[in-house]
Amino acid sequence: AQKITQTQPGMFVQEKEAVTLDCTYDTSDPSYGLFWYKQPSSGEMIFLIYQGSYDQQNATEGRYSLNFQKARKSANLVISASQLGDSAMYFCAMREAYNQGGKLIFGQGTELSVKP
Amino acid sequence: KAGVTQTPRYLIKTRGQQVTLSCSPISGHRSVSWYQQTPGQGLQFLFEYFSETQRNKGNFPGRFSGRQFSNSRSEMNVSTLELGDSALYLCASSLDTRRTGELFFGEGSRLTVL
Repeated sequence: AQKITQTQPGMFVQEKEAVTLDCTYDTSDPSYGLFWYKQPSSGEMIFLIYQGSYDQQNATEGRYSLNFQKARKSANLVISASQLGDSAMYFCAMREAYNQGGKLIFGQGTELSVKP
Repeated sequence: KAGVTQTPRYLIKTRGQQVTLSCSPISGHRSVSWYQQTPGQGLQFLFEYFSETQRNKGNFPGRFSGRQFSNSRSEMNVSTLELGDSALYLCASSLDTRRTGELFFGEGSRLTVL
């Protein structure tokens, strides 16, 4: 079974509008962490935001926020005021149990295109 | 502060050859993880090293191996290359990922196997 599911292979958004990228996850571990990364065409994975399973509040980092709905096992990324430079692949990832260290499980990604 | 550096950035090999990829983590980072990215399989975890010891390992055949040196630099080796090994190999470093630390990735080494 897929541990991380990103159901939107590609999305378009108008510049300056907000966009939500979906991510659902599956784990039986009570302690886990959820990440979002951005991958431009250069290949480098850029960390955007992190949410721990015990965090009470939704994570925010500048224009990025994570809509964490634990009961529904979803961790959607919201990008406010989209910019042309936001065009990239976006990956949702999970670390199951804190002792998994550098082992992240990634979703298949969503390709976001921002239109001027 | 320099980021994660991977060399070489691009390389072409033929089936049956071996390849060694290098990763220099961010200064002070002791954890180095390796990932393989392909269009079909996506991003898959290969292994993680921390203080010269392999701490985690993914589901890859024994042809894939790695090591970490005392300065935290890491290398991964793929022996007897197959066409399916063509991929972007990403290295990531972190202070210590056992808590909430995020991984900082390099730009990757793109391997083409002919």
